[in-house]
Amino acid sequence: NAGVTQTPKFQVLKTGQSMTLQCAQDMNHNSMYWYRQDPGMGLRLIYYSASEGTTDKGEVPNGYNVSRLNKREFSLRLESAAPSQTSVYFCASRGVLGQPQHFGDGTRLSIL
Amino acid sequence: DQQVKQNSPSLSVQEGRISILNCDYTNSMFDYFLWYKKYPAEGPTFLISISSIKDKNEDGRFTVFLNKSAKHLSLHIVPSQPGDSAVYFCAAIYGGATNKLIFGTGTLLAVQP
Repeated sequence: NAGVTQTPKFQVLKTGQSMTLQCAQDMNHNSMYWYRQDPGMGLRLIYYSASEGTTDKGEVPNGYNVSRLNKREFSLRLESAAPSQTSVYFCASRGVLGQPQHFGDGTRLSIL
Repeated sequence: DQQVKQNSPSLSVQEGRISILNCDYTNSMFDYFLWYKKYPAEGPTFLISISSIKDKNEDGRFTVFLNKSAKHLSLHIVPSQPGDSAVYFCAAIYGGATNKLIFGTGTLLAVQP
């Protein structure tokens, strides 16, 4: 029972490089989310997808793009990485309304 | 502006005693509140929730209290166990069906044996 799987777990990039973070869930959930966690900031929503085929901006979308590839997969892309995007990124999914979000174990991204 | 605040970055309690974690919020339109627990190098895991129409919800050792007039909620853990040592995040839901979460900054709980 994998739940929400994120790849890679760790990544180091140079400024200006591009990168796609992958997320897949096996719970047949409709909604998926991308968050970033920074020290002293809690988790902040970057983008979300309420259902397959739809995506919307969250609180901190600048510098990111997303793709809801199918019901299972929701990817986050950094087109030109910046040091300010150094963070831990979490993907989450949710089933029907009223159920809590389930999180993956995160991707630790460092941009030099 | 932080809409969900956890003003205590850390808390230390003795095993067997009560742990009380606090959370304040500013937006009266939040209609659901959740607590998540996070161990190092893992994602947050759901612990307990409460609807804004209730003032208490209990699940085993965990109880969440909501005081809407004060815009304050708290998580009580009784009795505390060493395995409870983790970061606890308070979160609030807004956006209806989209279920967007606003997180607090977290409180690191250390339960001493």
